[in-house]
Amino acid sequence: DQQVKQNSPSLSVQEGRISILNCDYTNSMFDYFLWYKKYPAEGPTFLISISSIKDKNEDGRFTVFLNKSAKHLSLHIVPSQPGDSAVYFCAASANGGSQGNLIFGKGTKLSVKP
Amino acid sequence: GAGVSQSPSNKVTEKGKDVELRCDPISGHTALYWYRQSLGQGLEFLIYFQGNSAPDKSGLPSDRFSAERTGGSVSTLTIQRTQQEDSAVYLCASSLSGLRNTIYFGEGSWLTVV
Repeated sequence: DQQVKQNSPSLSVQEGRISILNCDYTNSMFDYFLWYKKYPAEGPTFLISISSIKDKNEDGRFTVFLNKSAKHLSLHIVPSQPGDSAVYFCAASANGGSQGNLIFGKGTKLSVKP
Repeated sequence: GAGVSQSPSNKVTEKGKDVELRCDPISGHTALYWYRQSLGQGLEFLIYFQGNSAPDKSGLPSDRFSAERTGGSVSTLTIQRTQQEDSAVYLCASSLSGLRNTIYFGEGSWLTVV
C-alpha cells in the first residue's frame, strides 16, 4: 500500500501561470516532507521541504503547503517557466527527518508550455 | 568532485551474475543513501549510512542485496545472483548529516538484467 501518493501522473500548464502539484500521505507518523525535481537521465534535485510544525514554507517561486488534518501537501510554482518542466517527487519521513528512510511518491510530470 | 559520483552509469548483466555499483559521495558528507527507481515507480529506499553508526538496512529487498561503506566515504552496493526484477536505476545520495540537510543525488546507475 502506497504511503505517499501523487495521483496526477502528469500536469500541463501555460508559462506564467501557477503550477499546483499535489501529494497525499497515509502515515500519520510522517513529520517531514520534501519535494524533489528530476530531469531525464539526472538524479533528483532537492527543491523545498517542510516540517509538520509549519503549514507553509516559501522559497522564491516555490511554496509548499501542508494540511496535516487532511494529510495533504501541495507544491505551488508561480510563475511557471518552461525550465520547470520535469518530474516532481513528493517524499515524506518520520522521526523528524533523522533517518534515511524517505518514502517517495511515484512522481508528477510537469510540462510548462511557452 | 563537486557532486555525488556513481559508476558504472550503465550496466547490462546476465541473470544470475553478481554486480557491484559504486558511489562516491560529496566530500565531507557523513550521510549516504541508496535508493532505486524501477520503471514507472517512485524512489524506493534501500539503505542508509550515517557516520560510524550501524546502517539502516530496512529497505534492502532480499538477502541478495548488500552494501558497505569503507572509511566513511565510498560505498558499494552489491547485488548477487541478479534477477530481471532487479532492473532499475540505482541512485546514491549524500548529505552533511541526515535528512535535515539537503540530500544530493548522483545521476544513477542504470542496471538492466537480461
